[in-house]
Amino acid sequence: QVQLVQSGAEVKKPGASVKVSCKASGYAFIGLNIHWVRQAPGQGLEWMGIISPGGGSTSYAQQIQGRVSMTRDTSTSTVYMELSSLKLDDTAVYYCARELAQATPDVMSALDIWGQGTVVTVSS
Amino acid sequence: DIVMTQSPDSLAVSLGERATINCKSSQSILYGYNNKNCLGWYQQKPGQPPKLLIYWASHRESGVPDRFSGSGSGTDFTLTISSLQAEDVAVYYCQQYYTTPATFGQGTKVEIK
Repeated sequence: QVQLVQSGAEVKKPGASVKVSCKASGYAFIGLNIHWVRQAPGQGLEWMGIISPGGGSTSYAQQIQGRVSMTRDTSTSTVYMELSSLKLDDTAVYYCARELAQATPDVMSALDIWGQGTVVTVSS
Repeated sequence: DIVMTQSPDSLAVSLGERATINCKSSQSILYGYNNKNCLGWYQQKPGQPPKLLIYWASHRESGVPDRFSGSGSGTDFTLTISSLQAEDVAVYYCQQYYTTPATFGQGTKVEIK
């Protein structure tokens, strides 16, 4: 079945980096964009960025630009999100999510398949 | 950035009654190529990832009960639950995907009265 499976929970110290993986299965990996969304404890959803698995192009939210990098490995159908210079308020659940397949060019789509989430805790 | 503002922040509705959630975007999210609004609605229950309910503002995702419906255009949108069930207790989010950053509303918590 179509699914995204994320890597396990991480505990990091301030200033460190974390790399979360998201492995896709059950569909044509390079055909649909992947987004990353995070959710701090008790808070709402925050969009972090998007990667196109086909060409590798990315776009990031301004507030984390310079600290975030999204990459992909087409041989394993996996995307990665690395966040550096971690701060206490980067503590959150991090989700990857796939765009719904649709035929309209040059526009994004809603997110129909989500990973299970990866808890990242930043603590001194 | 496009700001998405939901109202109310929370609401309590009796079982079987209608629940209505509003979402307003700071600019139009109507995509001219296909004349559709780039808006999705999601349901999130505690400890779970969000679940897509509605896309293109009014298209129900496969498997979503027909008591959920979306409407609106331009900058003003609504998610309606026609007859609230116990399993609908959750937080609901709207999201625009017209442009990056693909911003979310702050969420609306739906409870049983």
